[in-house]
Amino acid sequence: AQTVTQSQPEMSVQEAETVTLSCTYDTSESDYYLFWYKQPPSRQMILVIRQEAYKQQNATENRFSVNFQKAAKSFSLKISDSQLGDAAMYFCAQCSTGSQGNLIFGKGTKLSVKP
Amino acid sequence: EPEVTQTPSHQVTQMGQEVILRCVPISNHLYFYWYRQILGQKVEFLVSFYNNEISEKSEIFDDQFSVERPDGSNFTLKIRSTKLEDSAMYFCASKLGSFGTDTQYFGPGTRLTVL
Repeated sequence: AQTVTQSQPEMSVQEAETVTLSCTYDTSESDYYLFWYKQPPSRQMILVIRQEAYKQQNATENRFSVNFQKAAKSFSLKISDSQLGDAAMYFCAQCSTGSQGNLIFGKGTKLSVKP
Repeated sequence: EPEVTQTPSHQVTQMGQEVILRCVPISNHLYFYWYRQILGQKVEFLVSFYNNEISEKSEIFDDQFSVERPDGSNFTLKIRSTKLEDSAMYFCASKLGSFGTDTQYFGPGTRLTVL
């Protein structure tokens, strides 16, 4: 069975600093996709970044980047130059290529940004 | 930008009653999903829907649950006889294509409270 684990229930970062959110996963699939979703308070989840498991290069989207370690089954999210608007719940998720895109989520990390 | 919408935002019902949660996916999307999140727990996949039929469903999605796309725009989740443990946030999502990397767009959720 596929599982996703986020070991940090809460994190805090100073505005303009860098923070890394951890995620590990377990799967028997050889090909799959990994995602980070952001859920601001009382708002819907939006996709932050995604990574195809077959790609060795780490994905980057502006201030957001991932450290994908396939052998270790680790997929951490780095947020650089943190902004107040980055405060949210962050969910790590996985789906296998054989599925219809059904996402398996972690429990989430609540990120606070201090001014 | 197009959004997934869900109604109502909060539904309170008595145990044993039927509830219907409504979602309007993004208009040209073809794949539809329901997820739920019990307070303090993970977001869990319930069901995926494509071409007017269920593609996949989780163990949670038992005979008490059903989904329907009645009119080409709405996507509904029905719980026939609600239980206390059905209390959760229910999220609808949609995506355009079948690729695992296609972005799933989430609605803001419906909070279901069963008394």
